[in-house]
Amino acid sequence: QKEVEQDPGPLSVPEGAIVSLNCTYSNSAFQYFMWYRQYSRKGPELLMYTYSSGNKEDGRFTAQVDKSSKYISLFIRDSQPSDSATYLCAMISGANSKLTFGKGITLSVRP
Amino acid sequence: DTEVTQTPKHLVMGMTNKKSLKCEQHMGHRAMYWYKQKAKKPPELMFVYSYEKLSINESVPSRFSPECPNSSLLNLHLHALQPEDSALYLCASSSSGRNTGELFFGEGSRLTVL
Repeated sequence: QKEVEQDPGPLSVPEGAIVSLNCTYSNSAFQYFMWYRQYSRKGPELLMYTYSSGNKEDGRFTAQVDKSSKYISLFIRDSQPSDSATYLCAMISGANSKLTFGKGITLSVRP
Repeated sequence: DTEVTQTPKHLVMGMTNKKSLKCEQHMGHRAMYWYKQKAKKPPELMFVYSYEKLSINESVPSRFSPECPNSSLLNLHLHALQPEDSALYLCASSSSGRNTGELFFGEGSRLTVL
């Protein structure tokens, strides 16, 4: 079993849809959870950063962490064509440990 | 200035060439990273510099040689590469010398080895 599993996609939705992106993990030592967004031919950009179980909201984006189920999610409300990108979940067990990425899922939002 | 700047954006080199990739940040960050990313794959860690000292080398072949001349600059020297080394090379930085996962990435240098 891989440490981090992410639905491979791709995912195509109409503009205005609610998008749910998910990752599961097996390493219970992971404490910090991130979502990175990567536009085509660009570097990844940190979108959301969470430490504990629960929800964190930033505008149209909500990150959810459920440590008991080893499951994290990113919700995008009112999706826009500009949200079309690859989304990578990432997690780390503690400072100075190695950041582990999911494989990434490519999202396309159709106008 | 919240940018990590990488040059060149594109590089084509032969297997006998020597070239370098450069990375610069002026955010006062104390850790800098090199990642390699193949198409449709997540970034793979290559090297980490913390307070200008090499702290992590992920068993990268010696044809890749990192250098950190000062806290703002990071180089990756390339020599005798193979075609399978063709990839997007990403530089990143983080504010403290400890990796908490909050990385600022540059746009990358796209390398093609012929």
